[in-house]
Amino acid sequence: EAGVAQSPRYKIIEKRQSVAFWCNPISGHATLYWYQQILGQGPKLLIQFQNNGVVDDSQLPKDRFSAERLKGVDSTLKIQPAKLEDSAVYLCASSGGTSVYNEQFFGPGTRLTVL
Amino acid sequence: AQKVTQAQTEISVVEKEDVTLDCVYETRDTTYYLFWYKQPPSGELVFLIRRNSFDEQNEISGRYSWNFQKSTSSFNFTITASQVVDSAVYFCALIGRGSQGNLIFGKGTKLSVKP
Repeated sequence: EAGVAQSPRYKIIEKRQSVAFWCNPISGHATLYWYQQILGQGPKLLIQFQNNGVVDDSQLPKDRFSAERLKGVDSTLKIQPAKLEDSAVYLCASSGGTSVYNEQFFGPGTRLTVL
Repeated sequence: AQKVTQAQTEISVVEKEDVTLDCVYETRDTTYYLFWYKQPPSGELVFLIRRNSFDEQNEISGRYSWNFQKSTSSFNFTITASQVVDSAVYFCALIGRGSQGNLIFGKGTKLSVKP
């Protein structure tokens, strides 16, 4: 079974530029998560989708971050404009079933560096 | 409020030594789940175990074992006869009843196993 796919793996941009990350969850997984992991810390949830609807985006900085999950499969996370403090690894995860307690399977992440 | 504390930032051991990674959690929920994830240098978070709040039985899987104690709000992880391949950052995480799948991570413990 293929895992969670993410691209690109690495991205370097200047501050105030925009950037987008892509995620393809495990086939059949209805729930998709985006996490931000700053160096030396644990991941922090940005947004959670159930199919193509948003379940929780309370920690998403909506003035600059946006995310969508068209057709309930792939998802895109965008930052516009980027700030220095957005430098982090952006992790996508997915889980199957209906329980919120199911284990989440993570992709390899996108490492963003903002200069 | 929910919180996970991993007090050990870094641990270094020599191969074949046993090592215990500590995890202390805080939650007001009576129903919750605890998780351990491994993050090797490649960056991908690998699921290790999930435990619900009603099951305090210790669990063993090969060289890995977990000790869950509700009385001390701890969920510790022991690696027996450590190997170099165990070198990684290990995260403890919590999902509470009201968090809708939002994994609350600790800051992680970096384990280095030297030959």
